[in-house]
Amino acid sequence: GAVVSQHPSWVICKSGTSVKIECRSLDFQATTMFWYRQFPKQSLMLMATSNEGSKATYEQGVEKDKFLINHASLTLSTLTVTSAHPEDSSFYICSATRQGHSDNEQFFGPGTRLTVL
Amino acid sequence: GNSVTQMEGPVTLSEEAFLTINCTYTATGYPSLFWYVQYPGEGLQLLLKATKADDKGSNKGFEATYRKETTSFHLEKGSVQVSDSAVYFCALSGSSASKIIFGSGTRLSIRP
Repeated sequence: GAVVSQHPSWVICKSGTSVKIECRSLDFQATTMFWYRQFPKQSLMLMATSNEGSKATYEQGVEKDKFLINHASLTLSTLTVTSAHPEDSSFYICSATRQGHSDNEQFFGPGTRLTVL
Repeated sequence: GNSVTQMEGPVTLSEEAFLTINCTYTATGYPSLFWYVQYPGEGLQLLLKATKADDKGSNKGFEATYRKETTSFHLEKGSVQVSDSAVYFCALSGSSASKIIFGSGTRLSIRP
């Protein structure tokens, strides 16, 4: 149980285009979803926290107009990288916490590798 | 601010060897500490955790003890297997219970 999926698993796009990444909780309802970014050989850096039906909370230094997060249901959150540039190339990982569980354990998706040419 | 530092990899060991991956942290207050594991092609999974000083987390033969005096949470296993090959992340969660801060990860490879 507590499986999180991401789609796509990898994407290559041209500079200036927008890319949407989906994060789904497959067998539970997610109270909160998180989006992380990971550069090679570096830590996962939290980008934003989102709750269903409300605006995402972005970490300092993360451009909310560039990284649009929509959390339309208790099982789906999307991250849209708008007007992507090569410096946005990275590994994006989402996670979710289960509704009704007080332990706040996060369950992680397998990640999406974005390459911007 | 809060931070986590873990030993750089990659770490390569022979099967049945003893494993230690060092992790130290900087935090205000009393954070919860975690080890996550990421197997090839999969998402991060919680391996073990400890929520207060002197707690020992354990799972699948791995152990880590929350040492407040040395601000450490080193991961150990007495006899590693090939199936333990993965990337291991040390992490902490501070006063904001849901926000997790990760170390840079340590890639572990076990030779048969």
